[in-house]
Amino acid sequence: GAVVSQHPSRVICKSGTSVKIECRSLDFQATTMFWYRQFPKQSLMLMATSNEGSKATYEQGVEKDKFLINHASLTLSTLTVTSAHPEDSSFYICSARGGVGNTIYFGEGSWLTVV
Amino acid sequence: ILNVEQSPQSLHVQEGDSTNFTCSFPSSNFYALHWYRWETAKSPEALFVMTLNGDEKKKGRISATLNTKEGYSYLYIKGSQPEDSATYLCASRGGTASKLTFGTGTRLQVTL
Repeated sequence: GAVVSQHPSRVICKSGTSVKIECRSLDFQATTMFWYRQFPKQSLMLMATSNEGSKATYEQGVEKDKFLINHASLTLSTLTVTSAHPEDSSFYICSARGGVGNTIYFGEGSWLTVV
Repeated sequence: ILNVEQSPQSLHVQEGDSTNFTCSFPSSNFYALHWYRWETAKSPEALFVMTLNGDEKKKGRISATLNTKEGYSYLYIKGSQPEDSATYLCASRGGTASKLTFGTGTRLQVTL
């Protein structure tokens, strides 16, 4: 079946630094990728939708200058958390739409801890 | 209903028991209802995508029903096995937009 790989699975960074999370569709082309964030005991919340070759569409309340999304190819999207703060510590997960039936497939997620 | 709500939040059953849980979603402007199975440290796995009122889908021992008029879906697991232990997520999609709105999930634990 279709696979989406997300890397890194866990990352710890210092406050004020930037961290990049990658999302790759391994065996299909994904024209659209989605980035979610999940805080403890809450649901997955969509942060932004990215289409290959164009600017991402951000959900209300998500700072586009803080969460930079790049979808430069049909198999790779990246999320960069800039000037990270402890309150950005969360679980981030991507999904990609494509493959048979244009299904949505998820990555494994990334745990970000900002210290 | 404005958001997607799932109940119960968690469930603990014994091997062999059958179980079910609920997903409630906004019935207005409904497009599709997705069910995912999410094991710890793995990717959420798509189980079903349902669009039509009265739809019933089955995959092995797992089945789901959909009522779009009243805005709910049930997921059933027959003869639960320890490997069914996971969090089951539902997500609603409104209109033709791609955006999925998720519930908080039902965490199922099946013990021997």
